[in-house]
Amino acid sequence: KAGVTQTPRYLIKTRGQQVTLSCSPISGHRSVSWYQQTPGQGLQFLFEYFSETQRNKGNFPGRFSGRQFSNSRSEMNVSTLELGDSALYLCASSLADGGDGYTFGSGTRLTVV
Amino acid sequence: KNQVEQSPQSLIILEGKNCTLQCNYTVSPFSNLRWYKQDTGRGPVSLTIMTFSENTKSNGRYTATLDADTKQSSLHITASQLSDSASYICVAPQGGKLIFGQGTELSVKP
Repeated sequence: KAGVTQTPRYLIKTRGQQVTLSCSPISGHRSVSWYQQTPGQGLQFLFEYFSETQRNKGNFPGRFSGRQFSNSRSEMNVSTLELGDSALYLCASSLADGGDGYTFGSGTRLTVV
Repeated sequence: KNQVEQSPQSLIILEGKNCTLQCNYTVSPFSNLRWYKQDTGRGPVSLTIMTFSENTKSNGRYTATLDADTKQSSLHITASQLSDSASYICVAPQGGKLIFGQGTELSVKP
């Protein structure tokens, strides 16, 4: 079966712009979570969506937002980009509560210049 | 504070050798602990999930152990291969979030 698909794979944006990243989960998976990975901070949890509702949220500023659609696909938006937002953004999907494990996508590499 | 700490930060071994990676966690309440392998530029891939009642679990050449009393886990890699070169990340769920260790960067040399 198809894995978790993230688009685009690479993105270059300018400071102050906004960006939208997309994540298509494994078919049947209803939970989608997002993570930021940087060399200095490692992997950090952004937020999780389940059945179109944000179920959990990490400690990131309000510039980071997301949503989930009825087909479980999710988008993440970052507004007013800062240089420090340059990172690999990963999403992961699971059936429901993650007890079965999370499957990660290959990520979107965002570079802010 | 809920934390996951890994050691060593990096490790270089020769192909064919064994190695052990360490993970200490202070996540509470504890439900399970996971080991992931992440190749450069790719997303993490699950190696094992260990629950409170499991002491040891194997996945091919990978064997994970868990000591719930000392809150320590280890990942042992047997007969390493060049393709084992990657970052190995220890992860514990807590309150609907995943708490990640900083990872151990393993480099297997020929």
